[in-house]
Amino acid sequence: QVQLVQSGAEVKKPGASVKVSCKASGYTFTGYYMHWVRQAPGQGLEWMGWINPNSGGTNYAQKFQGWVTMTRDTSISTAYMELSRLRSDDTAVYYCATTHGYWGQGTLVTVSS
Amino acid sequence: DIVMTQTPLSSPVTLGQPASISCRSSQSLVHSDGNTYLSWLQQRPGQPPRLLIYKISNRFSGVPDRFSGSGAGTDFTLKISRVEAEDVGVYYCMQATQFPLTFGGGTKVEIK
Repeated sequence: QVQLVQSGAEVKKPGASVKVSCKASGYTFTGYYMHWVRQAPGQGLEWMGWINPNSGGTNYAQKFQGWVTMTRDTSISTAYMELSRLRSDDTAVYYCATTHGYWGQGTLVTVSS
Repeated sequence: DIVMTQTPLSSPVTLGQPASISCRSSQSLVHSDGNTYLSWLQQRPGQPPRLLIYKISNRFSGVPDRFSGSGAGTDFTLKISRVEAEDVGVYYCMQATQFPLTFGGGTKVEIK
């Protein structure tokens, strides 16, 4: 069965960077784009961008351009999302999700001094 | 960006009764390839979102047939024919016709 297993919760200080991983199994990793979506506490869903695991090509939401980087390692079927220059309002649960409908369990990133 | 507007914000429902959620987009969601990339997601309390419906009316794998989607162009509806206790949560519509992908604000389904 398809599974997306994300890395564990992180606590970061303002100005730091965080890198979240998403390990895929149960399907051909390079066959479907991987989206990243975040959800601030008690809020709705916000799309950040996608990566094409086959080519490595990316498409970031304008808001995140310049401070998000999405990469992948096809040898281990894992996608990564790195967010830099963290601020307190980046505190959120970050999800990976494939274009064929599967979501990871989420990674809580807390930004606090 | 395409704005997705959901109504109502909250829907208290009696168990076994139907529920309906509306979603309106600020522009047509018909893609140049002829498809309409409108999906519905369910988020149970403390859980990640889960895909229920894609391309307006197609149920995702494992989704009970009490969930159905309909609509066209800019107006879409998710219906639950008979609400069960496990259906409690927040429901989001999402468009993937045009980047950036955008979501509705969510509708909370709760039991009366």
